[in-house]
Amino acid sequence: DAGVTQSPTHLIKTRGQQVTLRCSPKSGHDTVSWYQQALGQGPQFIFQYYEEEERQRGNFPDRFSGHQFPNYSSELNVNALLLGDSALYLCASSMGYRANQPQHFGDGTRLSIL
Amino acid sequence: GENVEQHPSTLSVQEGDSAVIKCTYSDSASNYFPWYKQELGKRPQLIIDIRSNVGEKKDQRIAVTLNKTAKHFSLHITETQPEDSAVYFCAATNQAGTALIFGKGTTLSVSS
Repeated sequence: DAGVTQSPTHLIKTRGQQVTLRCSPKSGHDTVSWYQQALGQGPQFIFQYYEEEERQRGNFPDRFSGHQFPNYSSELNVNALLLGDSALYLCASSMGYRANQPQHFGDGTRLSIL
Repeated sequence: GENVEQHPSTLSVQEGDSAVIKCTYSDSASNYFPWYKQELGKRPQLIIDIRSNVGEKKDQRIAVTLNKTAKHFSLHITETQPEDSAVYFCAATNQAGTALIFGKGTTLSVSS
């Protein structure tokens, strides 16, 4: 039973570029949530996708956007990258859009902005 | 705004001792409280969770308690082992019930 998978594992970009991160949820899960984890901090909620729609959004600018596909996989896009976007980006999947269902995380994508 | 505070930020114990990590949450609508363990360079792993209609839950050496009135919840690890060394995060659901708000983490070091 495959867990949550994310790609790529590492990425280096320069300021102003854009990036796309990918996530495949755990088998049987239909909801994907994205989190940003800065060094030494807890994960911060970016947004959640359920039924191919953004259902909830955290305190992140419009430069952060996403998509969910019919197979429940998801993408996170970040435009006009800033140095402060350097972080570990985590994807978590669950069954249903309610956060009171156990969320399982992937290994994350480490994004470095130069 | 919605907030989860976690204490202490670092905790060092001897092998075999108990460890307690405490969290407080701000939103009385929060109804689900998971705990995650994150080893260096690895994904956060769900180790135990509790819902608002339960006061205590135990799983082998790990237990979680919830005090809804005080908006406190705690993680208790008994008979700690070196492999328990990691960063532990508490979390609570937001007001809309659609996202988790995380604490800043506790770095637990267990020395043998």
